[in-house]
Amino acid sequence: GENVEQHPSTLSVQEGDSAVIKCTYSDSASNYFPWYKQELGKRPQLIIDIRSNVGEKKDQRIAVTLNKTAKHFSLHITETQPEDSAVYFCAASIVGRSGDKLTFGTGTRLAVRP
Amino acid sequence: GAGVSQSPRYKVAKRGQDVALRCDPISGHVSLFWYQQALGQGPEFLTYFQNEAQLDKSGLPSDRFFAERPEGSVSTLKIQRTQQEDSAVYLCASSYAATNEKLFFGSGTQLSVL
Repeated sequence: GENVEQHPSTLSVQEGDSAVIKCTYSDSASNYFPWYKQELGKRPQLIIDIRSNVGEKKDQRIAVTLNKTAKHFSLHITETQPEDSAVYFCAASIVGRSGDKLTFGTGTRLAVRP
Repeated sequence: GAGVSQSPRYKVAKRGQDVALRCDPISGHVSLFWYQQALGQGPEFLTYFQNEAQLDKSGLPSDRFFAERPEGSVSTLKIQRTQQEDSAVYLCASSYAATNEKLFFGSGTQLSVL
């Protein structure tokens, strides 16, 4: 089955700086890579996702890059703000295979210092 | 409804007790997933429904865990003879399509087994 590794486990940045979180996956057939943000005691919320037919996707201050050859993908947050503080999870799956499940990384706790 | 609703929000059970956790997905959503999230970890897959059909239950830890979605909407996750290692947050997620893309998560049920 799929195995997703995520690092770092914790990340502290100064407000305004950039943050980068990296994930690797094991199944070369995986073609869908979402990122979820989970604030303390809240539900995970999808913030951005990417399919394997593109190498990069941006949404305002958030971007995701994908390297299919190396089987890794990264989340980039620019101009970080205190409200970006949360736990971020990457995930991988195969879309097109009915009911294929998301496999999540272990999470990165991001703290943005004011 | 406005989102995926789960109840109860918190459940304390004595070891050996049976519990039932409820999930109300977004109306019209075909796919429904149950995930288990241990403290400080990413969500781990338990089971998947497409409408009323349980297509994948490979993540259920033991035969004490049982899930159903008899009418293709509300789902119940039942745990019999609870044990301390069952303590976790149980998350439900739904998706409009018969895939795991764009999952909407509920706030979860935090189960504590004493």
